[in-house]
Amino acid sequence: AQTVTQSQPEMSVQEAETVTLSCTYDTSENNYYLFWYKQPPSRQMILVIRQEAYKQQNATENRFSVNFQKAAKSFSLKISDSQLGDTAMYFCAFMPASGTYKYIFGTGTRLKVLA
Amino acid sequence: DGGITQSPKYLFRKEGQNVTLSCEQNLNHDAMYWYRQDPGQGLRLIYYSQIVNDFQKGDIAEGYSVSREKKESFPLTVTSAQKNPTAFYLCATWGLAGHGELFFGEGSRLTVL
Repeated sequence: AQTVTQSQPEMSVQEAETVTLSCTYDTSENNYYLFWYKQPPSRQMILVIRQEAYKQQNATENRFSVNFQKAAKSFSLKISDSQLGDTAMYFCAFMPASGTYKYIFGTGTRLKVLA
Repeated sequence: DGGITQSPKYLFRKEGQNVTLSCEQNLNHDAMYWYRQDPGQGLRLIYYSQIVNDFQKGDIAEGYSVSREKKESFPLTVTSAQKNPTAFYLCATWGLAGHGELFFGEGSRLTVL
């Protein structure tokens, strides 16, 4: 069975600084997708970034980038130039590409950006 | 507008009563999901469905039931067998044409009195 682990329940960062959120996962699948989602206080889930396991290049989206280490089954999110609007819960998620469609999430990291 | 509609947004239930949460989508997505969100436990998968008339148990299916009679609809029933049903419930969809992204409804908050 696949599992997703986020070991940092809460983190804080000063505005304009950089922060890295950790995520590890366990799977026997060779091909899969990994995601980071953001959930602000409104509770609306927002996709931040995605990574296909077959791609070695790390994904980037503006101030957000990932460090994908397939052998280590690690998928961390780096937020550069943190902004107050980045304050939210962040969830790491996994979906196999084998067609089973089972999409699972980690327990989340609550990030607070300090002014 | 295309999207996912969950209803009701807030629901109160007495112990021992079943309650059904609605999830409707007009995105023409094949897969639909139900998650439960509790503080400190993230999103836990209850049930998911890849096609009409078929669904699979997630990690915490006990005390819940679903149906998928139409592509657009995936209602979740919280039965009296669910021992701690007070939670925030999220419905989501996934389509082949997308990039793996889940699309979420606004959620339903269930409180058992």
